[in-house]
Amino acid sequence: DAGVTQSPTHLIKTRGQHVTLRCSPISGHKSVSWYQQVLGQGPQFIFQYYEKEERGRGNFPDRFSARQFPNYSSELNVNALLLGDSALYLCASSLGNYNSPLHFGNGTRLTVT
Amino acid sequence: DAKTTQPPSMDCAEGRAANLPCNHSTISGNEYVYWYRQIHSQGPQYIIHGLKNNETNEMASLIITEDRKSSTLILPHATLRDTAVYYCIALIGTSYGKLTFGQGTILTVHP
Repeated sequence: DAGVTQSPTHLIKTRGQHVTLRCSPISGHKSVSWYQQVLGQGPQFIFQYYEKEERGRGNFPDRFSARQFPNYSSELNVNALLLGDSALYLCASSLGNYNSPLHFGNGTRLTVT
Repeated sequence: DAKTTQPPSMDCAEGRAANLPCNHSTISGNEYVYWYRQIHSQGPQYIIHGLKNNETNEMASLIITEDRKSSTLILPHATLRDTAVYYCIALIGTSYGKLTFGQGTILTVHP
């Protein structure tokens, strides 16, 4: 079975631009979460979506937004990019039940210049 | 989520068991212990989780002390491919998709 897939794998953007990152969850998984991982640190939670509704949000500015589609895929959008937004962006999917493990994709490496 | 404490780094010889400790002395009765690992340039990989009882799967074993204040992840026969950062996370449930990652333990498996 295919795991969580993310696209693109790498991306270079300029300060002030906008970026859209995409995620396809494991088949049957209804929950998608997004994480940001800055070099040398552990991943930090940004959003969770379940059944197309936002269920959780981390401590990130409003420049960050996301949505989930009827097929449970998801997009993460970041506006007005800053140099500090350079990071590995990870998507994780799960069944969304009380204790179902999250399964991560390999991420999108975003570089802001 | 309860705070977890892990040693920053550990070494292990290939073929030997790797025992990774985690302290979670403030864990509450309904918090699970989850273990993930992250190999360089990849996303975190789920390993195992447990509440009270010891757990085993094809990847590893999880030993939780009776007072639940600490746990140990055991990789029975470490290989070079097990070199990674290992994260121990305590949380009530994954329904809200939020895992709080600490610094983890860098495990280096030597030939």
